[in-house]
Amino acid sequence: NAGVTQTPKFRILKIGQSMTLQCAQDMNHNYMYWYRQDPGMGLKLIYYSVGAGITDKGEVPNGYNVSRSTTEDFPLRLELAAPSQTSVYFCASSNRYGQPQHFGDGTRLSIL
Amino acid sequence: KNEVEQSPQNLTAQEGEFITINCSYSVGISALHWLQQHPGGGIVSLFMLSSGKKKHGRLIATINIQEKHSSLHITASHPRDSAVYICAAEEGGSEKLVFGKGTKLTVNP
Repeated sequence: NAGVTQTPKFRILKIGQSMTLQCAQDMNHNYMYWYRQDPGMGLKLIYYSVGAGITDKGEVPNGYNVSRSTTEDFPLRLELAAPSQTSVYFCASSNRYGQPQHFGDGTRLSIL
Repeated sequence: KNEVEQSPQNLTAQEGEFITINCSYSVGISALHWLQQHPGGGIVSLFMLSSGKKKHGRLIATINIQEKHSSLHITASHPRDSAVYICAAEEGGSEKLVFGKGTKLTVNP
C-alpha cells in the first residue's frame, strides 16, 4: 500500500505565484488533514475534511483553499504565494475521528 | 484552547540509557497521541492512549488524566531512536489535534 502520497516533495515559488499541493490516500479513509510545520513550532492545522464534499477550516487557513471531490484526494491550493507560507506541508488521513493519523512524507515549499 | 507543552526541547543520551519525554496539556482530552518524526522528515504515529499505559517494543507511553500529563519512555536507547518525538492532544468533540513543539532526541553510540 502506498498510504498517503504527497506531490511535489520540493518546490520553490515566486511571490504572487499560485500552486496546488497534491495529496492522495489509498486506505479509504474519510478524514484528511493539511498541516504546516514551521521551524521550532508544532504542527498547525490548515484545513481538514471529514468526507468527500465536506471541508472545514483549521487553525491557520488564511491564504489557502481546499477541495474534497473524492475520498482519495485532498489538494491544497495557494492562490497568491507569500513568504510567510514558506514551510513544510504535511497531509494526513485517518479512518475516523479518534484513530491514529497516517502522514505523507511532506512537501518542502519555499517562497522567494 | 488546549496548550500542549513538551519537555525537554532537546535531549542527548548515550546508547543504552533510559529516556523519558514529558507532555502536559491544559484542557481535558479524549486521547493523547505520540508521534515520531524521522530525521528525513517523515512522521509516524507511535501511540494513542486515553488511560493507563501502552507498550510497543522498547517504547512505553503512560498517561495520567487527573494530572493532565503523559510520558514517553524508551528503554535501552539506540542511535536509531534519534528523532523528534511529538505529542498531540485530542479534545473530545473535536476532529482536531493540538500538537506540542516536539522533543529532539539524539542518542550517541
